Amino acid sequence: AQSVAQPEDQVNVAEGNPLTVKCTYSVSGNPYLFWYVQYPNRGLQFLLKYITGDNLVKGSYGFEAEFNKSQTSFHLKKPSALVSDSALYFCAVRDRRTSGTYKYIFGTGTRLKVLA
Amino acid sequence: EAQVTQNPRYLITVTGKKLTVTCSQNMNHEYMSWYRQDPGLGLRQIYYSMNVEVTDKGDVPEGYKVSRKEKRNFPLILESPSPNQTSLYFCASSAAPGWDQPQHFGDGTRLSIL
Repeated sequence: AQSVAQPEDQVNVAEGNPLTVKCTYSVSGNPYLFWYVQYPNRGLQFLLKYITGDNLVKGSYGFEAEFNKSQTSFHLKKPSALVSDSALYFCAVRDRRTSGTYKYIFGTGTRLKVLA
Repeated sequence: EAQVTQNPRYLITVTGKKLTVTCSQNMNHEYMSWYRQDPGLGLRQIYYSMNVEVTDKGDVPEGYKVSRKEKRNFPLILESPSPNQTSLYFCASSAAPGWDQPQHFGDGTRLSIL
């Protein structure tokens, strides 16, 4: 079965330090992977996606993600964390069903806390 | 402004009283979807719609109904709500999954079923 795992419920990092939020996936076929961010009392906002091509994907707000096929991972990274990056982050994968329709599977989320 | 609009944003109701949460998007998107968000469980897809008149079950469809009679609207219906449906609900839309476009999310509807 297709799945997405975010092994850390919370990640704490000091402002200015690099951050990594981990995501691993299990899908059949080529993965279509996404990262979203959720701020309090708001819906999710798209950060970046991997479909094909370069394994390092750049996205919004200085975030990037590294796709690693052999490790089935898609970790979110940022070279220098800001306090304003504190939020809830979700990894997601698109799942193509045998019916030809598409559904999405989300991870359980990782709360990022950037300490001043 | 491109947006996904959900109503109501907050609702407290009682078991068994039918309710509808509306969702409307103004981006001419083909794909629409409903999710529920619960602590420790992340987002789980309830139903989705590839286009008008085409809907399919997600991972947690029990107790919910949807309809897609026109492209812009995708209401979520709880015919007989129960306390285990107390949750935060999100509607989302995207241009087309096959084109790998990201989803745009509404700001959520917090439902409390007593």
